[in-house]
Amino acid sequence: EDQVTQSPEALRLQEGESSSLNCSYTVSGLRGLFWYRQDPGKGPEFLFTLYSAGEEKEKERLKATLTKKESFLHITAPKPEDSATYLCAVRRGTGNQFYFGTGTSLTVIP
Amino acid sequence: DGGITQSPKYLFRKEGQNVTLSCEQNLNHDAMYWYRQDPGQGLRLIYYSQIVNDFQKGDIAEGYSVSREKKESFPLTVTSAQKNPTAFYLCASSTGTGANQPQHFGDGTRLSIL
Repeated sequence: EDQVTQSPEALRLQEGESSSLNCSYTVSGLRGLFWYRQDPGKGPEFLFTLYSAGEEKEKERLKATLTKKESFLHITAPKPEDSATYLCAVRRGTGNQFYFGTGTSLTVIP
Repeated sequence: DGGITQSPKYLFRKEGQNVTLSCEQNLNHDAMYWYRQDPGQGLRLIYYSQIVNDFQKGDIAEGYSVSREKKESFPLTVTSAQKNPTAFYLCASSTGTGANQPQHFGDGTRLSIL
């Protein structure tokens, strides 16, 4: 059964304290792994697409990596404005559907 | 600017009432989706459409209906058969082709029961 698991559920960091969020997946025929940021009361905002193991993408303080079983979202020297819920999704191999994890709620304390 | 517009932002439903949530996109995307988001749960797929006049049930389609008469529009009706409709509803679209093409989301409609 296709499954996406994100950990931890919640993470509190001091400003400047780097850390990583995890997304592990089991899916038949991965056709893309996606990271999104979601602010309260808003729709998810697209961050990265990763397609093959070993691939890395960066944007400002965020860096996403991919292995055959999991993806990490590394946050370097976070700022309070990085506080949000980060969602991971995979594109199912048999169709045009996406399967989402439950997210990691990140709080960065000044 | 291109994007996805959902309306209304807040919606209230009375017992036995059907309500319709609007979703319009000007991204020229072929595929459109409806998700339901509940606290502590991931986004769950209600319906999706890969092309005009065609749509498929997702994981939780019972109590919902959709139509896709135009490429730009994918309205969702929450029927009286949906006994627990209180949730945050998100509409998304994608190009429908290419494995690495992401979904783009609207800002959601929050539905509550009166």
